[in-house]
Amino acid sequence: NAGVTQTPKFQVLKTGQSMTLQCAQDMNHNSMYWYRQDPGMGLRLIYYSASEGTTDKGEVPNGYNVSRLNKREFSLRLESAAPSQTSVYFCATLNPWGLADSPLHFGNGTRLTVT
Amino acid sequence: GQQLNQSPQSMFIQEGEDVSMNCTSSSIFNTWLWYKQDPGEGPVLLIALYKAGELTSNGRLTAQFGTTRKDSFLNISASIPSDVGIYFCAGQYGGATNKLIFGTGTLLAVQP
Repeated sequence: NAGVTQTPKFQVLKTGQSMTLQCAQDMNHNSMYWYRQDPGMGLRLIYYSASEGTTDKGEVPNGYNVSRLNKREFSLRLESAAPSQTSVYFCATLNPWGLADSPLHFGNGTRLTVT
Repeated sequence: GQQLNQSPQSMFIQEGEDVSMNCTSSSIFNTWLWYKQDPGEGPVLLIALYKAGELTSNGRLTAQFGTTRKDSFLNISASIPSDVGIYFCAGQYGGATNKLIFGTGTLLAVQP
């Protein structure tokens, strides 16, 4: 998954703590996305950013905020972590004007546990 | 929200066997995508389908965009141990990927 870098890879939080998940891409893609993956639920869209300076809610935005810092970086923040936010979080990028065979490039994920 | 039904949930097969999995939707999609996820990694695109009835191959993998635009199929022929992983379908309504809906995944295990 060269091109999309997520940090940290693992994180354990206590209920109520806050943290920011970082995502950076070097593919010069306009659009960036945050998904969460839970067993039996597939990938669900949390927030997305169609271009620098814009962000929009996805399917499951509650409890999260995002920042599109620049074209390269899209961060996901948990202000007050809850056990229900235990999940694997994936960042993805897309160039809408790119080749038809290259939709959504994923990072390797951040595994978050909230106790 | 929109649901994608993917089946089977899991498959345990012998090396060399062929594999079939499918996704169905209650709504029409313009694009169907198939991804594979290896342990500890993000999903990687296998095949993209953009037209109803389209049949596309990628090595031993073949995927089809159903003629009703509400389903898609993925076949893997002559499975090998490295085919192990979770396979996801994804459907897209239109041009914006914020409308990309993922299936729940099919876990494939291949016994040598």
